[in-house]
Amino acid sequence: AQKVTQAQTEISVVEKEDVTLDCVYETRDTTYYLFWYKQPPSGELVFLIRRNSFDEQNEISGRYSWNFQKSTSSFNFTITASQVVDSAVYFCALSEAGTGNQFYFGTGTSLTVIP
Amino acid sequence: DAGITQSPRHKVTETGTPVTLRCHQTENHRYMYWYRQDPGHGLRLIHYSYGVKDTDKGEVSDGYSVSRSKTEDFLLTLESATSSQTSVYFCAISDREFRQFFGPGTRLTVL
Repeated sequence: AQKVTQAQTEISVVEKEDVTLDCVYETRDTTYYLFWYKQPPSGELVFLIRRNSFDEQNEISGRYSWNFQKSTSSFNFTITASQVVDSAVYFCALSEAGTGNQFYFGTGTSLTVIP
Repeated sequence: DAGITQSPRHKVTETGTPVTLRCHQTENHRYMYWYRQDPGHGLRLIHYSYGVKDTDKGEVSDGYSVSRSKTEDFLLTLESATSSQTSVYFCAISDREFRQFFGPGTRLTVL
């Protein structure tokens, strides 16, 4: 079974629109970590955020915000006022404590911001 | 910058030949990982290491072996490359805050 599901394969928005990328995870562990990574067209993987399972506070960093809800096993990522430079593939990932810090990645959401 | 390099960055090889990819880190991290990235699959773990000579299998380990004789180097070997192993390979390290940071990737084509 897929531990991390990113149901949105591709999203296109017009510049300055807000966009939310969905991530649903599955785990039986009580201690786990959730992550978002960005992969721009150049191909490198860029770390964006880490959340642990005990911290459900939402986080905002500039135009980026993350909504972690344990009740729905979701860790959604919102970009406000999108820009062309936000065009990339975004990956959500889960790491369960005690598994050698193995990461389970979703299949990614490809975001295109149209100027 | 997590100080991770991969070599080679690009390789074209023929079916049946052995291939070794190298990952080198400069920051003495204990955990290192090899992933492959394929369209529609995201990143999938091949093998990982939790110390010198300590390795374990990931989700897609068949056809791959690894070795770690020094903290800084983690080698991925395809004993006899097949076309299904054409992929982009990423190495990663895990820091003390359980974040993973990735190398630049190696694009491998098996003809």
